[in-house]
Amino acid sequence: DQQVKQNSPSLSVQEGRISILNCDYTNSMFDYFLWYKKYPAEGPTFLISISSIKDKNEDGRFTVFLNKSAKHLSLHIVPSQPGDSAVYFCAARRPYLYMRFGAGTRLTVKP
Amino acid sequence: NAGVTQTPKFQVLKTGQSMTLQCAQDMNHNSMYWYRQDPGMGLRLIYYSASEGTTDKGEVPNGYNVSRLNKREFSLRLESAAPSQTSVYFCASRPDTEAFFGQGTRLTVV
Repeated sequence: DQQVKQNSPSLSVQEGRISILNCDYTNSMFDYFLWYKKYPAEGPTFLISISSIKDKNEDGRFTVFLNKSAKHLSLHIVPSQPGDSAVYFCAARRPYLYMRFGAGTRLTVKP
Repeated sequence: NAGVTQTPKFQVLKTGQSMTLQCAQDMNHNSMYWYRQDPGMGLRLIYYSASEGTTDKGEVPNGYNVSRLNKREFSLRLESAAPSQTSVYFCASRPDTEAFFGQGTRLTVV
């Protein structure tokens, strides 16, 4: 029962261009969505989040968009930098319950 | 400021052996979690503890037990390890929304 789906296992972009990572969910009860970044041999670290009552949240180079009708969210990174190369996990949370994670997308930013 | 600390970082077990993974957080968070990460599967919740003295099953609890020893510590026990439990295990704590993760324990069961 995969309620949070990241259908692209990998993405490769050129330095300076935009990276767009996508995430779909099935449970309309999710009220909060998060993106985590993970480097090899480290734990995931929180990147950015969005409440279900919003459709956009921006933090520096990172912007998350939420389309509730399509049950879809995306993370935009502009401009992409080589240090952004990592695995990105999408997560979703129901009120007072635990987060569910997607399978992750490996982003490679080429110099 | 240590955050979430997991021990050990690496472990190799033989099938049938038991072990306990330790986790401690110094951020005074009520909620703590154990996840496992497998290729193509993302992070799946094993058990969680919403507060001291309570524990609940997550998505994949079979073969595991947990103990919330106090507010700081949340341990994960494998009573009889199986090769299917080869994975990277992450402990996390959460105050409200985003969770803070430890560095992980890479476990191999042979």
